[in-house]
Amino acid sequence: EIVLTQSPGKLSLSPGDRVTLSCRASQTLIANSLAWYQQKPGQAPRLLIYDASTRATGIPDRFSGSGSGTDFTLTISRLEAEDFALYYCQQYGGSLSFGQGARLETK
Amino acid sequence: EVQLVQSGAEVRRPGSTVKISCEFSGNSFTDYCIHWVAQAPGKGLEWLGLVDPKDGETMYAEKLRGRITITAGTSVYIPSMELSSLKSEDTAVYYCAAGKIGARLSAFHVWGQGTMVTVSS
Repeated sequence: EIVLTQSPGKLSLSPGDRVTLSCRASQTLIANSLAWYQQKPGQAPRLLIYDASTRATGIPDRFSGSGSGTDFTLTISRLEAEDFALYYCQQYGGSLSFGQGARLETK
Repeated sequence: EVQLVQSGAEVRRPGSTVKISCEFSGNSFTDYCIHWVAQAPGKGLEWLGLVDPKDGETMYAEKLRGRITITAGTSVYIPSMELSSLKSEDTAVYYCAAGKIGARLSAFHVWGQGTMVTVSS
């Protein structure tokens, strides 16, 4: 089973800040098979990025994904109020699994 | 546009069985694998399994093998997940989700609203 480790687990930031979240896989992910999701309280997760760097439909361009092999990042170029939420990475290169999540909270 | 609407909240006793449905609307039902994901209170996301409606093939997370059954419901486009021998630690919100067209392993582009299952004596 491929294990995903997200870091940091929690970040305290302000609107307008730039943030980078990391996701490290225990094995190389074939075809950059990595996605990022945002989840707000009481809601289902929402797909932000798939195939490591492709924005999902309707996702603002302040969200970007990068990386390959075992190391991947999600960058939010300028935080807006609605971006304070939980973020999960997911791999689908070998079965499927999620990272443990990273919480963005307001400073 | 694909939409997934799940059945309502359930309360079960330990040792019993629960079945949750996920009504699919939109085009080309057989093009989308349906996945199930659990989220225990205050915890992260856990992938449980998938069904491919094209042929009914399933894949399950090793941890639940033997207790979980996922079906496609191809005649009425209502996939479902059944979990048996329930334990208190199965208390969670269960989501269904649709993958990318034509792919078994993919990101989940569409999610259901979630179904809360509470296991308590």
